[in-house]
Amino acid sequence: NAGVTQTPKFRVLKTGQSMTLLCAQDMNHEYMYWYRQDPGMGLRLIHYSVGEGTTAKGEVPDGYNVSRLKKQNFLLGLESAAPSQTSVYFCASSYSSALQYYEQYFGPGTRLTVT
Amino acid sequence: LAKTTQPISMDSYEGQEVNITCSHNNIATNDYITWYQQFPSQGPRFIIQGYKTKVTNEVASLFIPADRKSSTLSLPRVSLSDTAVYYCLVGDINFGNEKLTFGTGTRLTIIP
Repeated sequence: NAGVTQTPKFRVLKTGQSMTLLCAQDMNHEYMYWYRQDPGMGLRLIHYSVGEGTTAKGEVPDGYNVSRLKKQNFLLGLESAAPSQTSVYFCASSYSSALQYYEQYFGPGTRLTVT
Repeated sequence: LAKTTQPISMDSYEGQEVNITCSHNNIATNDYITWYQQFPSQGPRFIIQGYKTKVTNEVASLFIPADRKSSTLSLPRVSLSDTAVYYCLVGDINFGNEKLTFGTGTRLTIIP
């Protein structure tokens, strides 16, 4: 099993450009999450999905959109990138939302720089 | 949501036992305590979870006193590969992982 994979690993954008980050998991997990981590900070939840075709907002959703068209994929879109979105983005998945017994599995991250 | 407080950083020598304490004074009855580990340039990884007393797995032990206002992650005989950031999270079992909050964690550095 590859677990949780993220594409791309690195990206540099100019202000105003758009891009999509792809997260894929092969564990048949229902739940998927997108986080961002700024230098020296903890992770903050952007959006999450409780199943195919559903998405919900997390703590810091502004400036991002997501889609979950297939169970194994969770896409994070930036329509008009801003320097404040420079960060490392982590995707995660879990079998169930219940935090007891069902931990999250994280991907390796995407390092995004917006100039 | 219960707020957690951890030391910002800790240093330890190889081979020693390391204890990282997390304070969560306003923990609620339904809250569970979860610890994650994050190596540099990687996503976090689940270490251990508990509700009360002691939990042990092949990686670590988690000690939770009766009042549950704090918890201690214990790493036995650490090696250089244990250098990482350790996060203590408190969350209600009636809600999901999406309600967990990752703070700044404890940066553990193992010295040869």
